[in-house]
Amino acid sequence: AQTVTQSQPEMSVQEAETVTLSCTYDTSESDYYLFWYKQPPSRQMILVIRQEAYKQQNATENRFSVNFQKAAKSFSLKISDSQLGDAAMYFCAYIEAAGNKLTFGGGTRVLVKP
Amino acid sequence: DGGITQSPKYLFRKEGQNVTLSCEQNLNHDAMYWYRQDPGQGLRLIYYSQIVNDFQKGDIAEGYSVSREKKESFPLTVTSAQKNPTAFYLCASRALTGDQETQYFGPGTRLLVL
Repeated sequence: AQTVTQSQPEMSVQEAETVTLSCTYDTSESDYYLFWYKQPPSRQMILVIRQEAYKQQNATENRFSVNFQKAAKSFSLKISDSQLGDAAMYFCAYIEAAGNKLTFGGGTRVLVKP
Repeated sequence: DGGITQSPKYLFRKEGQNVTLSCEQNLNHDAMYWYRQDPGQGLRLIYYSQIVNDFQKGDIAEGYSVSREKKESFPLTVTSAQKNPTAFYLCASRALTGDQETQYFGPGTRLLVL
């Protein structure tokens, strides 16, 4: 069974600084997708970024970028120029290609200090 | 606006009572999902449906039931058989063509037992 592990329960970052969140996953599949979702206090899950496993290039979305290491089964999220609105829970998630079940990690809480 | 709506935002259940959570989407997505989130944890899949009048159990289906009579709607019933229903419930949907691997989430329903 696939598992997703986020080893950092909480991370703190100064406003305008950079923070990196770790995620590792376990799978025997070669074709899959990885996601980072943000869950602010409103609790709605918001897609931050996604990565296709078949793509070597790391995905970027404005201030958010990933470091995807397929052989190491690692998928970290970097938040640059952190803003107060970035404070939230961040979840790493995995899904097999053509699969239905998103498997989530336990989450990392990001605190942004002004 | 296109999106996913869930109602109610808060729901209270008495012992032995069945309650139904609503999920509606106007994204013309084929597949819909129900997840449960317990405090401090990631999401777990309850049920999903890829087409009208068809649905499959997820990892924690016991004590829950669903229907999919319309493409836009996927209500979840929490039955009296679910002994620990207090949680946050999230509905999601995705297209099965194009950007088919990304699930988009509604704002959620918080269920509390009286």
